[in-house]
Amino acid sequence: DVKVTQSSRYLVKRTGEKVFLECVQDMDHENMFWYRQDPGLGLRLIYFSYDVKMKEKGDIPEGYSVSREKKERFSLILESASTNQTSMYLCASSSSQSQYFGPGTRLLVL
Amino acid sequence: QKEVEQNSGPLSVPEGAIASLNCTYSDRGSQSFFWYRQYSGKSPELIMSIYSNGDKEDGRFTAQLNKASQYVSLLIRDSQPSDSATYLCAVGYAGGTSYGKLTFGQGTILTVHP
Repeated sequence: DVKVTQSSRYLVKRTGEKVFLECVQDMDHENMFWYRQDPGLGLRLIYFSYDVKMKEKGDIPEGYSVSREKKERFSLILESASTNQTSMYLCASSSSQSQYFGPGTRLLVL
Repeated sequence: QKEVEQNSGPLSVPEGAIASLNCTYSDRGSQSFFWYRQYSGKSPELIMSIYSNGDKEDGRFTAQLNKASQYVSLLIRDSQPSDSATYLCAVGYAGGTSYGKLTFGQGTILTVHP
């Protein structure tokens, strides 16, 4: 069965903190994605990766970076968290085009 | 700019009725089409994929694709209150640099009332 896990369901951080969100998939998928989802704005792609150590910017990469050191793990990093980064963060993986999502991390930045 | 448009709803149907959800897309090069269901506070769950013109049925769900009209729909027969959710349409593209990226619509809120 398809399995994508995210390190935290809920997270509260302070403005200026460095935040790490982890995503792990057990399906040997090449492609992994980070989205954020906000009311009225839908799903927006932050970054994606198509292979180990390969990454590309999505539609809203500003304020974020990513790391993919192993095929199964894709990390999203908020270098200096800001209140406008309060959101639901969703990780997904795919081998072709069917994307499978993790449970999401709801991040609150105070 | 690739666009995927959905009516945001809410679409309200009585229990047992057919719910019809619609989606249009702008890029004629689109090759794959998906429907996701998202319950409030949860992540999207893939429920249907379709790649060729025509209908694809899976249980109570039927996906319909018309590439000439750039239109994809999802029919839910015998709607149940448990079908109440937001339904996201997603479109994928061909090409070696697509890397499985999808463009998502804003979603249609469906409410099935007893």
